[in-house]
Amino acid sequence: NAGVTQTPKFQVLKTGQSMTLQCAQDMNHEYMSWYRQDPGMGLRLIHYSVGAGITDQGEVPNGYNVSRSTTEDFPLRLLSAAPSQTSVYFCATIRWATTYEQYFGPGTRLTVT
Amino acid sequence: DAKTTQPPSMDCAEGRAANLPCNHSTISGNEYVYWYRQIHSQGPQYIIHGLKNNETNEMASLIITEDRKSSTLILPHATLRDTAVYYCTGVSGGNQFYFGTGTSLTVIP
Repeated sequence: NAGVTQTPKFQVLKTGQSMTLQCAQDMNHEYMSWYRQDPGMGLRLIHYSVGAGITDQGEVPNGYNVSRSTTEDFPLRLLSAAPSQTSVYFCATIRWATTYEQYFGPGTRLTVT
Repeated sequence: DAKTTQPPSMDCAEGRAANLPCNHSTISGNEYVYWYRQIHSQGPQYIIHGLKNNETNEMASLIITEDRKSSTLILPHATLRDTAVYYCTGVSGGNQFYFGTGTSLTVIP
């Protein structure tokens, strides 16, 4: 099993550009989520999904969109990149209604200039 | 909003027990407390979780106070590889996980 995979590993965008960060999992987990981590800070929840077709906002959703058309994939879209979105983005999954242990991907480092 | 509070940094001598405290006074009665660690800039790694009783696994022990307002993660014999940022986390509203700023643990040779 690959677990949780994220692509790309690194990305540089110019202000105003859009892009999609990919997250995929092969563990058949119901719950998927996106976090951002700024330098020296903890993780902040952006969006999450408790199953295909269901998404909801976390603590810092502005400027990001998500969709969940399949159990395996949970892409994060930046609509119009801003320097404030420079961060490391982590995707995580949970097999819901069990131990609630989160499995994290390796992260995507995004720089917006 | 539910929050956790941890000291920003701690040192521990190699081979000694590392005791990392966390205050989670706003946690509700049926919410678990989870601990994760993050080594360098990798994705966080699950360590242990608990509700009311003390818990132990192959990585660590978790002591939760009777009033559930605080907990302590114990690494019984710290090694250099345990140098990391440790997060005490919880769940808000049943499905929103929240992380604080964590404790940066440095294990000293």
